[in-house]
Amino acid sequence: QKEVEQNSGPLSVPEGAIASLNCTYSDRGSQSFFWYRQYSGKSPELIMFIYSNGDKEDGRFTAQLNKASQYVSLLIRDSQPSDSATYLCAVNRYNFNKFYFGSGTKLNVKP
Amino acid sequence: DAGVIQSPRHEVTEMGQEVTLRCKPISGHDYLFWYRQTMMRGLELLIYFNNNVPIDDSGMPEDRFSAKMPNASFSTLKIQPSEPRDSAVYFCASSPDRGGGELFFGEGSRLTVL
Repeated sequence: QKEVEQNSGPLSVPEGAIASLNCTYSDRGSQSFFWYRQYSGKSPELIMFIYSNGDKEDGRFTAQLNKASQYVSLLIRDSQPSDSATYLCAVNRYNFNKFYFGSGTKLNVKP
Repeated sequence: DAGVIQSPRHEVTEMGQEVTLRCKPISGHDYLFWYRQTMMRGLELLIYFNNNVPIDDSGMPEDRFSAKMPNASFSTLKIQPSEPRDSAVYFCASSPDRGGGELFFGEGSRLTVL
């Protein structure tokens, strides 16, 4: 079983819609959760992080964490074509500080 | 700050040759990570350092791979001898703290082994 699982997609949404990206993780000791965006040919860049159960909002992005279900999600409201990229979920455990990444979900936002 | 700096950006070599990838982390970051990314396997952690000391190299695929961090501002990842299956993008990343902080990635080194 992989440490972090994501649906590879592609996920296609029309411009202006809500895109919902999901991730599950296997290590219950995981304490930090991250969403990175990676454009084709570029390096990953941090979109959001979340440490506590519940929702965390930052502009058009909302991260949701449910530790009991070992589930993390990212919602992108008012999706734009510029949001088209691969979204990587990552988890970390403080005492090991090893970041595990999912394989990523490719998002296509159609104009 | 200039960010994490990697070189070379692109490397094309022939099977059996030695490859050395270089990384300069962000000043003040205590952690340095080497990742490999392929379409098939995604981002894989190869090795990471804390204060120049290798902490976990369990992701290094074989003895052909080695990594060093002689000082806080420089790290190398060496492949000797290289094989076509080593073709990938190799990312270096650094992190400022132990508490699950953000990873800052370099632009990557795209390696092609013919």
